[in-house]
Amino acid sequence: AQSVTQLGSHVSVSEGALVLLRCNYSSSVPPYLFWYVQYPNQGLQLLLKYTSAATLVKGINGFEAEFKKSETSFHLTKPSAHMSDAAEYFCAVSENTDKLIFGTGTRLQVFP
Amino acid sequence: GAGVSQSPSNKVTEKGKDVELRCDPISGHTALYWYRQSLGQGLEFLIYFQGNSAPDKSGLPSDRFSAERTGGSVSTLTIQRTQQEDSAVYLCASSLTGLAGGRETQYFGPGTRLLVL
Repeated sequence: AQSVTQLGSHVSVSEGALVLLRCNYSSSVPPYLFWYVQYPNQGLQLLLKYTSAATLVKGINGFEAEFKKSETSFHLTKPSAHMSDAAEYFCAVSENTDKLIFGTGTRLQVFP
Repeated sequence: GAGVSQSPSNKVTEKGKDVELRCDPISGHTALYWYRQSLGQGLEFLIYFQGNSAPDKSGLPSDRFSAERTGGSVSTLTIQRTQQEDSAVYLCASSLTGLAGGRETQYFGPGTRLLVL
C-alpha cells in the first residue's frame, strides 16, 4: 500500500534561509508525487509534481523538489525563504489511481 | 476561468442532523473528488467520480456518508445523523479526465468547514 511520511510537523526558518521540507514515500510501483501548499482558510494549491520525467522538478514560487528513487524521497526545497512562504505543506502520492494519499503536513514558519 | 467552488464555506449543525455540502468543479473537468481534513486523521480520500462510471466510494468512513454527482457536474456530499467526530474541513477537487493513471493535477476548492455540536 502507498504511504507518505513527512518528517517534522513544524519547521521554522529565518527569512532568506534555505527551506527544506522532507517527504518519503512507500510505493510498490514508480509513483507520481505532488507537493501542495495550503494557506490559512484556503484550499490546496499545487506547487509541483513528479510524473516520471525529469527527477528535478521546478515549481511555483521558487520551490523545487528532487525525486530520488534509491532513497524513496521527494524533498521540497527553496534557496531563500520569504515571509509569504509561511503555510502548511503537504506531500502526496498517487500510484496508477486517481486517489491522492497525503502526508500529515509540515507547517512552515518564517521569522524576520 | 473560475476554480472549484464549494458551499457553504462554514456549517454549524447539531449532533444527529443531516447536512449537505456542495461542490462545483471546474467547467469541463470530468473527474471530481472529495477529501476530508481533520485534526485526528489528516487529509483523507473519501470518494471519486469519473464521468458516468460508478464512483469509487472506498474512502467513505461509514454508511452515514453518501455523495452524488448530477449531470456530470455539481456534486453533493451528504452526511446523515452527524456525529461530533464528523467535524472537519471537507475539500472538493476536480481534474480534467481522471483517467491519466494518477498523474493529473487535482484542483482544490476552499473547503467547507463543518462543526457538529
